[in-house]
Amino acid sequence: GEEVAQTPKHLVRGEGQKAKLYCAPIKGHSYVFWYQQVLKNEFKFLISFQNENVFDETGMPKERFSAKCLPNSPCSLEIQATKLEDSAVYFCASSQLLSGRDNEQFFGPGTRLTVL
Amino acid sequence: QKEVEQNSGPLSVPEGAIASLNCTYSDRGSQSFFWYRQYSGKSPELIMFIYSNGDKEDGRFTAQLNKASQYVSLLIRDSQPSDSATYLCAVNMDSSYKLIFGSGTRLLVRP
Repeated sequence: GEEVAQTPKHLVRGEGQKAKLYCAPIKGHSYVFWYQQVLKNEFKFLISFQNENVFDETGMPKERFSAKCLPNSPCSLEIQATKLEDSAVYFCASSQLLSGRDNEQFFGPGTRLTVL
Repeated sequence: QKEVEQNSGPLSVPEGAIASLNCTYSDRGSQSFFWYRQYSGKSPELIMFIYSNGDKEDGRFTAQLNKASQYVSLLIRDSQPSDSATYLCAVNMDSSYKLIFGSGTRLLVRP
């Protein structure tokens, strides 16, 4: 599609439950990035993919977070055993080409995760 | 020291004035610089990007980059109330292409 799509828009989970978020990048974009926005404006990079391959996972919490981008499927970000501090808006962004300068990232509408 | 720093504001300007938003970054090797606008409850919207020293103009927006001073700015001419939003400076600091964001500057344009 012409825009990055994310589902669901809102997700409420009890502490300890699993949460799974989905992202469909812009058609033709090979790179997908996940960011977490907490406290209004603090963005934190989580993980990026080049097609179905992990490109950079330096921002991923090791234990409870995982992500995948499989062929012909939306990318997903899964949080096992959610904690209160996981409450945030999770944004997915896609990019067409990471070669020198063509690396503008376009953001989806986000998924607001609330952990109670 | 934060990697990307912005004044949180709010920066308040009257309608029609020039709004000047500033950002400094810590990594001298940074290559790509982006300005995103984020309305409350919405996703960041890319409004400008700049890679080379100097000015880059697009309509009412001008991005300015000074790599020697590690400084990037965004000028908004003829500010409109609809420009009221949080402006996020984002920097690509390494070959991973992940963006490092500042904490944003809230801009208020008074009618």
